[in-house]
Amino acid sequence: DAMVIQNPRYQVTQFGKPVTLSCSQTLNHNVMYWYQQKSSQAPKLLFHYYDKDFNNEADTPDNFQSRRPNTSFCFLDIRSPGLGDAAMYLCATLSGATGTQYFGPGTRLTVL
Amino acid sequence: AQSVTQLDSQVPVFEEAPVELRCNYSSSVSVYLFWYVQYPNQGLQLLLKYLSGSTLVKGINGFEAEFNKSQTSFHLRKPSVHISDTAEYFCAVTKNSGGSNYKLTFGKGTLLTVNP
Repeated sequence: DAMVIQNPRYQVTQFGKPVTLSCSQTLNHNVMYWYQQKSSQAPKLLFHYYDKDFNNEADTPDNFQSRRPNTSFCFLDIRSPGLGDAAMYLCATLSGATGTQYFGPGTRLTVL
Repeated sequence: AQSVTQLDSQVPVFEEAPVELRCNYSSSVSVYLFWYVQYPNQGLQLLLKYLSGSTLVKGINGFEAEFNKSQTSFHLRKPSVHISDTAEYFCAVTKNSGGSNYKLTFGKGTLLTVNP
């Protein structure tokens, strides 16, 4: 089945230690998104790619970076995680034909 | 800009009872509307969507929603809930013109708790 895959599902890192979260998709969608979701809140868009064109949200901290080496893969890099960055990180892709986003299972990040 | 209001942050119901989760939106342009469900420690799963056409849309797991343009609402309903429907439900909208690559505006979510 075509899908959005996120690895790992659970990630533990130490305060200030860089961490990378990965997302892959078999849907061949041009647009990919990264969201941060804190407990009992709606997802918050960090940035998105249209192909290799990177679009950062105005309020996304500089601590968050992203890479998209090809259509299938997208990475979220957190350069110096703080305790406030502990959250669920969701990757999504877009079906341009229907304007519908499809989400991966998420990565739960814990910062010690 | 769009906005979404989910009127109830929590909805407790008994198993096999009907449920309605309310969603109202505001937008100056035409929109697409979505309901997503999120189980604990999972991503968002698409329940259903309204793009155009019939205002009554049916989704997975027995859910349906009705788009009401005059009331700017998109309420989610299920005639008989199961324990397994316990989850967080998010209503979301996006401009139907594709601007900004279909960014979603989410409501704050409604926690549906189904009790035995």
